[in-house]
Amino acid sequence: DAGVTQSPTHLIKTRGQQVTLRCSPKSGHDTVSWYQQALGQGPQFIFQYYEEEERQRGNFPDRFSGHQFPNYSSELNVNALLLGDSALYLCASSSGLRPGTEQFFGPGTRLTVL
Amino acid sequence: AQSVTQLDSQVPVFEEAPVELRCNYSSSVSVYLFWYVQYPNQGLQLLLKYLSGSTLVKGINGFEAEFNKSQTSFHLRKPSVHISDTAEYFCAVSATDGQGGKLIFGQGTELSVKP
Repeated sequence: DAGVTQSPTHLIKTRGQQVTLRCSPKSGHDTVSWYQQALGQGPQFIFQYYEEEERQRGNFPDRFSGHQFPNYSSELNVNALLLGDSALYLCASSSGLRPGTEQFFGPGTRLTVL
Repeated sequence: AQSVTQLDSQVPVFEEAPVELRCNYSSSVSVYLFWYVQYPNQGLQLLLKYLSGSTLVKGINGFEAEFNKSQTSFHLRKPSVHISDTAEYFCAVSATDGQGGKLIFGQGTELSVKP
């Protein structure tokens, strides 16, 4: 049973560019959450998708947007990249929206903005 | 709103010694509590969680944590650590009445186990 997968593993972009990160949830999961983990920090919640809709959003600007597809996979898009967007981006999947449900994390995508 | 404070950024310990990683939280609503571990270049793995019931929670790899509501703490303990426990540990909370269980993480504690 495949766990949460993310692509690409690493990515290097320059300021002002746009980037798309991808996530496939664990089999049987229908909810995807995205987190940003800056170096030496804990993960910060970006947003969550369920039934192809954004359900919750953290304190991130509109440059961060996402999408969920009918097969439950998800994309995170970041426009007008800033140096401060350099981080590990983690995708987590779970089943439904019930609080306390375990979230399973992928290995992350390391984004470097030069 | 919720916040999580991990009181130690780094904890060095010798192999087979006991360890405690401290976590305090602040919240205006009831929360669920979690501990995650992150090995180098990997994602996060759930060690244990407290939802309700007994305040002493046992997790994987011999870890346990105790929920103390009056002190708003959820400290993680292991009686005897191994070299393989070297990793970053994160405490997290989510509101019990929040849709979807958004996780709020602490800054992390780096556990370094020395031979």
